[in-house]
Amino acid sequence: DAMVIQNPRYQVTQFGKPVTLSCSQTLNHNVMYWYQQKSSQAPKLLFHYYDKDFNNEADTPDNFQSRRPNTSFCFLDIRSPGLGDAAMYLCATSRDPAGTPTYEQYFGPGTRLTVT
Amino acid sequence: GIQVEQSPPDLILQEGANSTLRCNFSDSVNNLQWFHQNPWGQLINLFYIPSGTKQNGRLSATTVATERYSLLYISSSQTTDSGVYFCAVGRWFNFGNEKLTFGTGTRLTIIP
Repeated sequence: DAMVIQNPRYQVTQFGKPVTLSCSQTLNHNVMYWYQQKSSQAPKLLFHYYDKDFNNEADTPDNFQSRRPNTSFCFLDIRSPGLGDAAMYLCATSRDPAGTPTYEQYFGPGTRLTVT
Repeated sequence: GIQVEQSPPDLILQEGANSTLRCNFSDSVNNLQWFHQNPWGQLINLFYIPSGTKQNGRLSATTVATERYSLLYISSSQTTDSGVYFCAVGRWFNFGNEKLTFGTGTRLTIIP
């Protein structure tokens, strides 16, 4: 089945120790998104890629970076995690409407990050 | 930016009851999706419904784009329906892709 996959599902890192979260998709979608969701809050968009074009949200901290080496994979790098970065990180994909007339986003299962 | 409000914030129902969840948004949108977030945190797509009415089993949704609201109906609730329901709306961004703005969610608890 076509899907969005995130690894690992649970990640524990130490304060200040760099961490990378990964997302892959078999949907062949043009657009990939990273959201951060803190406890009892709604998901908040960090940035997204339209193909290789990177689009950063204005309020996303510099501590968060992303890479998209190819269509299928996208990575979220947290350079120096703080206690406030503990959250669920969700990856999503969607297809360019030039291909099909839908903008529906599909989400992976998420990676829950703990910072000790 | 666009504002999305959901009501009620919390809802507790007996198994078998019906419920209606509401989503109001402050501007025109190109996309509206309903999600169910399960206890493990995964967002499950329920409906992609920028306008009109759709049904899927015990769930149905209606979006009235001109009046800027959407409703999600759950009939004959089951305990597995428990979780948080999010409404998210999308607007055009450059290069033809979109960003979703999420509402604050409705936490539904179904009691056996």
